[in-house]
Amino acid sequence: DGGITQSPKYLFRKEGQNVTLSCEQNLNHDAMYWYRQDPGQGLRLIYYSQIVNDFQKGDIAEGYSVSREKKESFPLTVTSAQKNPTAFYLCASSIFGGTNTEAFFGQGTRLTVV
Amino acid sequence: AQSVTQLDSHVSVSEGTPVLLRCNYSSSYSPSLFWYVQHPNKGLQLLLKYTSAATLVKGINGFEAEFKKSETSFHLTKPSAHMSDAAEYFCVVSEGNTNAGKSTFGDGTTLTVKP
Repeated sequence: DGGITQSPKYLFRKEGQNVTLSCEQNLNHDAMYWYRQDPGQGLRLIYYSQIVNDFQKGDIAEGYSVSREKKESFPLTVTSAQKNPTAFYLCASSIFGGTNTEAFFGQGTRLTVV
Repeated sequence: AQSVTQLDSHVSVSEGTPVLLRCNYSSSYSPSLFWYVQHPNKGLQLLLKYTSAATLVKGINGFEAEFKKSETSFHLTKPSAHMSDAAEYFCVVSEGNTNAGKSTFGDGTTLTVKP
């Protein structure tokens, strides 16, 4: 089945640690995205990538880093510089460019700082 | 610039009664508009999208939405609510050739369905 796989589903991090969230897609999409979701709020874009080896900051990139070495993979690292990392993180992908193209979402990773 | 406002943060209906979730948008260009649904601790699933062809868009699970340019609205409706419709709903706007994932999301509407 084609889709987007995020892992792990739940992740606990100690303060001061970096953690990496995995996102893999087999939809052959060029574009991939990371969003953060907080209770009662919509999705906020962290980073996005439109092509391999290239990515751009979204609205809330501070404290996060990404890489795009393969078309299928777009891992997100939450660094110790992120002041309030506890949130639900969603990865998505889409066909690059054009209107009327929707994003396909993974099932999310819930990160909790302990 | 694009923006989207979901007018109700919470909507509660009884099973079998109509559902109305309201969404207004702002866009400098011809927008693409979407509704997504999110069940607890899950990703988002596309319900329907406006493609500038027909103003009345039919989606999955009996939902539909009407694009009204004069009112800059894209309200989501369903004639008869089912318990399984209880979820969070997001209205999304994409402007011109904006890449799909760089769309603007509303803050969401939580739909509660009472037995």
